[in-house]
This record gives sequence, C-alpha cells and structure tokens, in this order.
Amino acid sequence: DIQMTQSPSTLSASIGDRVTITCRASQDVDTWLAWYQQKPGKAPKLLIYKASTLEGGVPSRFSGSGSGTKFTLTISSLQPDDFATYYCQQYENFPYAFGQGTQLDFK
Amino acid sequence: QITLKESGPMLVKPTQTLTLTCRFSGFSLYTSGVGVGWIRQPPGKALEWLAFIYWDDDKRYSPSLGARLTITKDTSRREVVLTVSTVGPADTATYYCAHQYSIRDAFDFWGPGAMVTVSS
Repeated sequence: DIQMTQSPSTLSASIGDRVTITCRASQDVDTWLAWYQQKPGKAPKLLIYKASTLEGGVPSRFSGSGSGTKFTLTISSLQPDDFATYYCQQYENFPYAFGQGTQLDFK
Repeated sequence: QITLKESGPMLVKPTQTLTLTCRFSGFSLYTSGVGVGWIRQPPGKALEWLAFIYWDDDKRYSPSLGARLTITKDTSRREVVLTVSTVGPADTATYYCAHQYSIRDAFDFWGPGAMVTVSS
C-alpha cells in the first residue's frame, strides 16, 4: 500500500506570506495526486487534482506541482480565509491514501 | 448541482453493526466511470479512506478494516450504503461520502459528514 507523508505537520504564517507544503508518496503515483482544504467542522474541499490542475472556483494563489513521489502545494500570498488544514491524497491505485494533514495557523 | 448527504445513527454500542447511508443528487451511478467513496475522520485526526463503489458495482475496501466493511448501492434510489461490523471506540468518527467523476479522479464533491460515536 502507498503511504503519504506531509511536512510540516503545523505551519505558522502571516497574511501575505508565501507558504509551501510538501507531500511525499512511498511509491510512484505519477501525477494522481489531489490537495484538499478543510476547515473545522466542515467537509474537505478539493483544491487541486492531477497534481497541478486547479479545481474550478479555487483562487489562483493556490498552485500544485510535482510528480512521482514528491509534491508541493504553494499559496503565493496568504489570505485570512486560507488558515485551515490541508491534506494530500493519492488516487493512483487502491487503497487510496491521505496524508496526515498540515495545519496552517496564524503566526 | 451535485450534492451528497450522509445519514445514520449518532450513537452505536460496541460490537454492533453501523449502517450509514449516502443519498445523492445531481449525478447517476448509471453513468460510466462514476463512483462514490466513504472516508472517515476521528476527532482531531486525519482523513482515512474506507471504501469505494463504481457505477459497474466494482468495490474496493481499505485493507486495514478488512472484512468489517461492506459497501452497496441502490442506483435507482440514488443511495450508497456502508456497513461497519463489530464496531469499537476506534470507529468513533465523522463519516463522509464523496463523489468521483471518473476512474482515477479526485473526490470533487463531499457530503457534510455524519458524526458517529461508539459507546456503551
């Protein structure tokens, strides 16, 4: 089974900062990688799929890159609405797997 | 407009079987490629993928939960049902169902979740 590892687990940042979250897969997942944003008490929201394709309606300050086993999610200029927990997920094959999450909070 | 909503008991006793229903609208499980998955999240913890069912009734399960999971669909009623047998405190979680548009795709629409507590 493929394991997904995110770093860091917690990230403190300020409005306007550029932040990067890393996700590593234990095996090659090509670009079958998604990023989700989750706020407390809410369902996850799809931000990026196929490693770098922005879901419709997602602000362009979000971007994704990578392939194979290393992926990054970048927020170019943090906005107040971006403080949340972020998860990566591989869907290259079953069993699907999520990373352990990265909590982005206000510095 | 695609929507999904989970329903089920809020409280289940240990060793019982948990049955959760996902009712959806805006898409059909008659459509080739479409699927519905179940994901759960224990309080304060990460998302955990549980099970998946495709339009053609192909089913996939998390190896870690083994034979405790069963996923079924009623295409005409637009429902997907997940059962978890012999529950214990570790099954306390918010359970989500989610839509997948095609084979090898991300979960683009999610239900709001159903919180289930396992306790005697």
